[in-house]
Amino acid sequence: DIRMTQSPASLSASLGETVNIECLASEDIYSDLAWYQQKPGKSPQLLIYNANSLQNGVPSRFSGSGSGTQYSLKINSLQSEDVATYFCQQYNNYTFGAGTKLELK
Amino acid sequence: QVQLKESGPGLVQPSQTLSLTCTVSGFSLTSNSVSWVRQPPGKGLEWMGAIWSGGSTDYNSALKSRLSISRDTSKSQVFLKMNSLQTEDTAIYFCTRLQWYYFDYWGQGVMVTVSS
Repeated sequence: DIRMTQSPASLSASLGETVNIECLASEDIYSDLAWYQQKPGKSPQLLIYNANSLQNGVPSRFSGSGSGTQYSLKINSLQSEDVATYFCQQYNNYTFGAGTKLELK
Repeated sequence: QVQLKESGPGLVQPSQTLSLTCTVSGFSLTSNSVSWVRQPPGKGLEWMGAIWSGGSTDYNSALKSRLSISRDTSKSQVFLKMNSLQTEDTAIYFCTRLQWYYFDYWGQGVMVTVSS
């Protein structure tokens, strides 16, 4: 099975800062990757699919990139409502990364 | 609009069977697929299985021997049954709409505690 290694496990950033979260696959996943945001006490919400396609209604400060085994989620100009845990998910066997908890500094 | 809502018992005794229902609205089960995903408290997400628009199913190999997913299209409901529950099955259980290979809509989740 393909394994997803997500980093960092936690992250503290200031308002307005740019944040990057990484996911490394154990083999080439050909951009078959999605990103989700989960706010405390809520269900996950889809942000990005196919590695770089923005889901309808998601703010444009979120973007995804990558290819092969390396992928990243970028949040520009961090807002207070972005405090959440972020998960990557690869399509083969629907495996999720362990998550990145984003907090405000 | 697309909505999914899980329902079921909040407490299940060890070794017993968990039965959950996902009631959907805003889309048809004959044209869309639904998955179950669970999340132990404070931990990550685990895909459990899916029922495809045609009615066939796929399961996480780690759960396959204990898990069954079915549906009633006339009632827009998807069912999860998992037997031989243990304490490590304590989790929030989500139903989700599966759009090709990613999950575009999620229910609010239902907390299930396995305890005597």
